[in-house]
Amino acid sequence: DAKTTQPNSMESNEEEPVHLPCNHSTISGTDYIHWYRQLPSQGPEYVIHGLTSNVNNRMASLAIAEDRKSSTLILHRATLRDAAVYYCMLHSAMEYGNKLVFGAGTILRVKS
Amino acid sequence: NAGVTQTPKFQVLKTGQSMTLQCAQDMNHNSMYWYRQDPGMGLRLIYYSASEGTTDKGEVPNGYNVSRLNKREFSLRLESAAPSQTSVYFCASSFWDRAGLTNEKLFFGSGTQLSVL
Repeated sequence: DAKTTQPNSMESNEEEPVHLPCNHSTISGTDYIHWYRQLPSQGPEYVIHGLTSNVNNRMASLAIAEDRKSSTLILHRATLRDAAVYYCMLHSAMEYGNKLVFGAGTILRVKS
Repeated sequence: NAGVTQTPKFQVLKTGQSMTLQCAQDMNHNSMYWYRQDPGMGLRLIYYSASEGTTDKGEVPNGYNVSRLNKREFSLRLESAAPSQTSVYFCASSFWDRAGLTNEKLFFGSGTQLSVL
């Protein structure tokens, strides 16, 4: 299984941008990079995903390194509601069964 | 749309009791997953089912059994509950299409909080 590594925790001020890094040096060519977040006392929710190109949606942006061995989730203006655990995960499009394993994630704290 | 529905939401068991956690999705997804999350910890994969009729072990399968009853339903059974199985259990589903090389996002249920005394 391809692994991801993330910092244990990060802190941000409200209304400032946040860059959450993820390393995935063993990524294969058909692995999609997915990001999820888990708000307190809730199940995880999808944030964004990409394969090679940078991606934007209403929640965040995903910047993928040219060699695909790392990626960065960008929250453009952090709010208190963005305080959560953020998980980076690799989804294989080729591997039968898709054993989807989460890493430890990054705890994001947002200060007002 | 209901999405992924888990029942029950809360359960207290005594050591040695058995129970089944139910999960159903209405999104026509082919893949389904069971995760557990211990207090203050991350998610660990228990079992998964890539498609109807198949199941595979995840990271922490010991003490659990699963059944992919049909495309919609994926149940998790604890045959003899132990205090170490006290956790929040999440079911998730997604659509995986190898032919199209697409792999869509996971949708999670709201979880079952299980306490084993």
